[in-house]
Amino acid sequence: GAVVSQHPSWVICKSGTSVKIECRSLDFQATTMFWYRQFPKQSLMLMATSNEGSKATYEQGVEKDKFLINHASLTLSTLTVTSAHPEDSSFYICSAPQGDTEAFFGQGTRLTVV
Amino acid sequence: AQSVTQPDIHITVSEGASLELRCNYSYGATPYLFWYVQSPGQGLQLLLKYFSGDTLVQGIKGFEAEFKRSQSSFNLRKPSVHWSDAAEYFCAGTAGNQFYFGTGTSLTVIP
Repeated sequence: GAVVSQHPSWVICKSGTSVKIECRSLDFQATTMFWYRQFPKQSLMLMATSNEGSKATYEQGVEKDKFLINHASLTLSTLTVTSAHPEDSSFYICSAPQGDTEAFFGQGTRLTVV
Repeated sequence: AQSVTQPDIHITVSEGASLELRCNYSYGATPYLFWYVQSPGQGLQLLLKYFSGDTLVQGIKGFEAEFKRSQSSFNLRKPSVHWSDAAEYFCAGTAGNQFYFGTGTSLTVIP
């Protein structure tokens, strides 16, 4: 099946710094990718929809200036957490749909801000 | 509004016992439905999916799920649980290509 690779799998950063997370579709093209956030013991919450060649669409309550999304190619979307704070510590997961009915998920990135 | 509901937050079963995880959906039309499993600190692994046709779907690791339109349900089952099945399970539905996730059910398996 199709593979979505997410990198890094975990990262620790200092408060105030920025962190970039990459999401790649390895064997198919994805004009759209989704970014989710998951708090401990909770479900996945959709943060934003990444669109190749255009601006991302953010869900209500998600700060677009804090969570910068770039979808520069058909196989790569990046999420940059800017000026990270401890409350941004979470598990971030990307997914790339294939057609209208299938979606493949990255392995997730555990972000810890200290 | 489209939604997926998992009524059980946490379930504990004995190894070897049968398992059923509940999932209810609310969609305007028949959605595409999925079950995913997530081990701690890991991404999501697809167990099975239902698009149309046979309402009983077989998945990986011995799991199956049955789509029941009359009950708006898509419950996940396994006849005999193994200790390695302990994980978080998510039911999801899709309208277009956006997924709606349930809140998850945490499964504990006791020896």
